[in-house]
Amino acid sequence: DTGVSQDPRHKITKRGQNVTFRCDPISEHNRLYWYRQTLGQGPEFLTYFQNEAQLEKSRLLSDRFSAERPKGSFSTLEIQRTEQGDSAMYLCASSSYRVNTEAFFGQGTRLTVV
Amino acid sequence: DAKTTQPPSMDCAEGRAANLPCNHSTISGNEYVYWYRQIHSQGPQYIIHGLKNNETNEMASLIITEDRKSSTLILPHATLRDTAVYYCIVSHNYGQNFVFGPGTRLSVLP
Repeated sequence: DTGVSQDPRHKITKRGQNVTFRCDPISEHNRLYWYRQTLGQGPEFLTYFQNEAQLEKSRLLSDRFSAERPKGSFSTLEIQRTEQGDSAMYLCASSSYRVNTEAFFGQGTRLTVV
Repeated sequence: DAKTTQPPSMDCAEGRAANLPCNHSTISGNEYVYWYRQIHSQGPQYIIHGLKNNETNEMASLIITEDRKSSTLILPHATLRDTAVYYCIVSHNYGQNFVFGPGTRLSVLP
């Protein structure tokens, strides 16, 4: 297993465009998380899936953001009508269903909105 | 807001032990202490976690005080590759919607 995989690693887009990121979790993990990290700050939680169900969403996840995990495997995070303030690193993490367990993070997708 | 307090930065000489403190005075009974680190431009890397007993793995040791209000992460023989931001997080044991603080920037010096 190669760990949590995110694609693309870097994305530059013009303001107003839509972007979509993909996350492939560790294969046996049924929990998947999205975080956002801006320069100099720690990651901020965005949303959480257990299998295909989206169980929690942060207030940071505005209506321009949508996340899906249609078959309980990979997940996508879409940002519509991007703004310069959306420029950040978007991180995905996954964990197993077991309690007391750790989450493993991917390398992130760095988004730059110009 | 993060439930932990960490010093913003620390230095450590290469080959020496790095002791990174964390205060979590409002930790509740079912919350674990997790440590992650983040090397520049990479995703956070899991290090270790624990509830109340001290823990050790191949990367580090975690010492939790008896009242659980603080903990220390110990890297026994720091190397230059341990230079990173270290995050201490407290979280209940059934989900990882972690609240990250600013962490401690550890610089290992040659």
